[in-house]
Order: sequence, then C-alpha cells, then structure tokens
Amino acid sequence: DTGVSQDPRHKITKRGQNVTFRCDPISEHNRLYWYRQTLGQGPEFLTYFQNEAQLEKSRLLSDRFSAERPKGSFSTLEIQRTEQGDSAMYLCASSLLITRGGELFFGEGSRLTVL
Amino acid sequence: AQSVAQPEDQVNVAEGNPLTVKCTYSVSGNPYLFWYVQYPNRGLQFLLKYITGDNLVKGSYGFEAEFNKSQTSFHLKKPSALVSDSALYFCAVRDERNTDKLIFGTGTRLQVFP
Repeated sequence: DTGVSQDPRHKITKRGQNVTFRCDPISEHNRLYWYRQTLGQGPEFLTYFQNEAQLEKSRLLSDRFSAERPKGSFSTLEIQRTEQGDSAMYLCASSLLITRGGELFFGEGSRLTVL
Repeated sequence: AQSVAQPEDQVNVAEGNPLTVKCTYSVSGNPYLFWYVQYPNRGLQFLLKYITGDNLVKGSYGFEAEFNKSQTSFHLKKPSALVSDSALYFCAVRDERNTDKLIFGTGTRLQVFP
C-alpha cells in the first residue's frame, strides 16, 4: 500500500498521559499536514511541513502539542498532559509541492480517546 | 481570512434522483476548491477540484461540481444518486494568495434512500 499510513489507529489514554501519533506520507510527497476532527465537524488545520521545516501552526494549537518531521519523511504529533477535550480523530495528509492546486491525500486517521 | 460554508447539515435524496450538495466560499484571491468524501471511521477521499478553466469539473464516482464566481459557490452534483453515495461530504478552499493549507467546511451528510 503506497498511501498515507497512520499509527496507531486507535489510542485510549488517561487524562494527564502523553501520547504520540506517527504518520508516514506518500513517499515522494514533500508536504505533510496534520488536522484534527471532532464528531460532527470538519477537519481543523493544526500544522504543516515542507520537507523537515514546519511552516505554519494553527493559533488554536496549544503548547501541549508538538509536531516534528525530522528527516523530511515521517512525522510525529505528540500531545503532552492530555485532556478530555483532546479526544478527536487526528488526520495526517500529504501532497506534492507543485502549485497550490495540489490536492491532499489523507490517511485513515488516529482516533484518540482521553478518559 | 478564507472560509467555506456548507449550509445543509444533511441532504436526503431517493436513489436514481439527482443530488446537489451546496458549498459557498470566501477568499481574498482566486480560490482553489476541493470536494472530499468521508465514510464512517475512515479518512477523507479526494473527489474533485477546481483550479482554473472550465467551470464544470468532473471527478470520481460520477460526481461533478460547478464553480460560480459571481455567487462564490462550488456545489457538488451527481445526475443519479446511488445508495452507496451515502456518506459525509466536505468542501474545502485554499486561497492562492494566502496560505497552503486547506480550510474545510463543517460537512454535509448525504443520505440516499432506496
């Protein structure tokens, strides 16, 4: 399978614990995006990378959230001291940097439940 | 700031009938517009996009969308709905001047009845 893959698909954790999600983009894609989706809502932009550089972060992203893409390939999204409000589906997407008309290819998502 | 609105939370249509899912947008420059579909507990799948050129764009699974600059709309259409089209549909916009991120609408649930 050469699509975007995310791991784990499901994560249940207790409030206050740290969690980390991994995303492996389509291999030739140099753009990587993280979105968050809660029930009944559209995906909400969190951050994106071009190669290893993080180019934009949402103002809604608290300091407890950090994302990395150390070698310009896979990316990790870490949430520290999780809160119940962090429960959501975390979506990763990748695209080619050709023009702004390039579509995003999404993974299946990582569902986080904070108890 | 760029934004997109999907005014209908749900659209119901009988199988075989035409369907329309509405989307309007707001950007400062020229828009790049996209439609995605999401099935339960799955990621988003790309359906089609408008970048430039013909206002009617065709995409996957028989879907098409019409770009209307004067009405700032990009409605998704299909001539004959299938029960398997039942899913959540998202419109998204990217502003050519502004940023490289896609901004999504809140989604419209399409229910096709047999």
